[in-house]
Amino acid sequence: GESVGLHLPTLSVQEGDNSIINCAYSNSASDYFIWYKQESGKGPQFIIDIRSNMDKRQGQRVTVLLNKTVKHLSLQIAATQPGDSAVYFCAEKRWPAAGNKLTFGGGTRVLVKP
Amino acid sequence: DTGVSQNPRHKITKRGQNVTFRCDPISEHNRLYWYRQTLGQGPEFLTYFQNEAQLEKSRLLSDRFSAERPKGSFSTLEIQRTEQGDSAMYLCASSSTPSDRDQPQHFGDGTRLSIL
Repeated sequence: GESVGLHLPTLSVQEGDNSIINCAYSNSASDYFIWYKQESGKGPQFIIDIRSNMDKRQGQRVTVLLNKTVKHLSLQIAATQPGDSAVYFCAEKRWPAAGNKLTFGGGTRVLVKP
Repeated sequence: DTGVSQNPRHKITKRGQNVTFRCDPISEHNRLYWYRQTLGQGPEFLTYFQNEAQLEKSRLLSDRFSAERPKGSFSTLEIQRTEQGDSAMYLCASSSTPSDRDQPQHFGDGTRLSIL
């Protein structure tokens, strides 16, 4: 089937610690993955993406890891800050079979404790 | 900031009324997408355009929904005879045409529709 899901609905993390958000996908045809951050009352904000021919990609304070063997995706946030409190979504795009649409998971809420 | 712009931000209407939302994409983006998001869920794809052509529609897009992008720039999403179940956040996103196939979609802040 086509599903993108998240293991934990809520993640509570101490300010300054690293956060890890996990995501499982079920379709081996998925070839492009994106992480979004969504704050209350706003639209999803692009964080980082990764293609299926890669297993790791780094951005500013964020790292995405892709394990195609177990169909698992994770987002690591280094030195979590209060501004990182939000809901995080992973999304997949399967090309070309599913056109250009993104399929989103249900989201993980990250709460940063001061 | 020339991000994706959506208007209105919030729309309250009575059941049975028609509503129309507008999306202005990032100016150099020729792909435009509509999604719907309900509370606590991820966005769900509705439809997408490349320039003025509507290339894909989800089964979620009933015949009460219609989307247009007449000049390949802004887009409108109309819902006719609104129902309670239409209450949601309607999100618009845009992306450029990829030189390869992968370009991220950038979202606006959505229009929240509330049906009384």
